[in-house]
Amino acid sequence: QKEVEQDPGPLSVPEGAIVSLNCTYSNSAFQYFMWYRQYSRKGPELLMYTYSSGNKEDGRFTAQVDKSSKYISLFIRDSQPSDSATYLCAMSPYYTGANSKLTFGKGITLSVRP
Amino acid sequence: KAGVTQTPRYLIKTRGQQVTLSCSPISGHRSVSWYQQTPGQGLQFLFEYFSETQRNKGNFPGRFSGRQFSNSRSEMNVSTLELGDSALYLCASSLGPGQGASEQYFGPGTRLTVT
Repeated sequence: QKEVEQDPGPLSVPEGAIVSLNCTYSNSAFQYFMWYRQYSRKGPELLMYTYSSGNKEDGRFTAQVDKSSKYISLFIRDSQPSDSATYLCAMSPYYTGANSKLTFGKGITLSVRP
Repeated sequence: KAGVTQTPRYLIKTRGQQVTLSCSPISGHRSVSWYQQTPGQGLQFLFEYFSETQRNKGNFPGRFSGRQFSNSRSEMNVSTLELGDSALYLCASSLGPGQGASEQYFGPGTRLTVT
């Protein structure tokens, strides 16, 4: 079983839709959770960074972490064609010296149709 | 504030050759991590450097190595290139050890093609 599983996609939605992207994980040592957006031929861009369980909102984006279920989600409200990209979840453990190693999901490609 | 920069952006090498990639972190960031991204395996952690010392290492063969300089700039080297080393190599910087270590910002990557 992979440490981080992400829905493989691809996902296509109409403009204005609410998008839900999900990852599950098996390693209970993971304490930091991130979502990255990667446009074609670019490096990943950090969208959301969370530590605790619960919700974190930033504009149209909401990150949700449920440590008891080992499940994280990213919600995109009022999706725009410019949101079309690959979305990667990433996680790292807490203990000093090792929390620099990010473990990524495989990524899901989102397409928002005008 | 300038982001993470990587050079070169594209590279074509032949099997058996070696290659050196360079990364300059965000100003004030002292930790640099390297990742390999391929369509089949996704993003995989190579190693992390802080204060010119390798602090963490992923599961890659010894052909992959790196170093960090006193100004936090980092280089990674791949010797005896194999076809399977073709990938996007990404550098990420963060503040350093502690809670900020996992808040990493990526550069645009170096796309390496081995023929």
